[in-house]
Amino acid sequence: AQSVTQLDSQVPVFEEAPVELRCNYSSSVSVYLFWYVQYPNQGLQLLLKYLSGSTLVKGINGFEAEFNKSQTSFHLRKPSVHISDTAEYFCAVLLKTSYDKVIFGPGTSLSVIP
Amino acid sequence: GAVVSQHPSRVICKSGTSVKIECRSLDFQATTMFWYRQFPKKSLMLMATSNEGSKATYEQGVEKDKFLINHASLTLSTLTVTSAHPEDSSFYICSARHLGRAVDTQYFGPGTRLTVL
Repeated sequence: AQSVTQLDSQVPVFEEAPVELRCNYSSSVSVYLFWYVQYPNQGLQLLLKYLSGSTLVKGINGFEAEFNKSQTSFHLRKPSVHISDTAEYFCAVLLKTSYDKVIFGPGTSLSVIP
Repeated sequence: GAVVSQHPSRVICKSGTSVKIECRSLDFQATTMFWYRQFPKKSLMLMATSNEGSKATYEQGVEKDKFLINHASLTLSTLTVTSAHPEDSSFYICSARHLGRAVDTQYFGPGTRLTVL
């Protein structure tokens, strides 16, 4: 079975400080990897995705993530956060063999402190 | 960019009534749409996969007769919560896979907040 783990349920960080949100996955088959952001009472917005190629991917709003196959991780980073980055962040995987559903992690609540 | 809309954005209903939620792909065709449910402070749980012109595939534990899904066209899927009860109160989100694009391309709707009194 496939699963996605986000070890940190809540991450408080001061404005302009760097942040890393951790994501690990477990899968017997190859996967595509995604990070989504959800603002209060809104749907999901895609931040970035890893399909193949370079393991470092850059997304919107200054976020980037690095795929590490040996550690089955896909951590999200931003060098300097803003108040507007306060939101819920979800790591997700899509199985390459089935293409039918995205499996989401439990989410990390990022709170940026002024 | 591709846009997915949901209607209504918020609905309050009495226990025992049925509620229909629409999911539309506004500027693209979607052979496959997905319905998710999200509890407060929780992640998204896939309820069912909806393919245009065929029966939906429900995830384990999701009641087919409770959550009726219809995908009648390439741009519209509907979720009907029948005989709603307070425990059905939740945030329902749909997503649509863009026909003709890479299989990884899914677009999410803004969600529908259902409150059952």
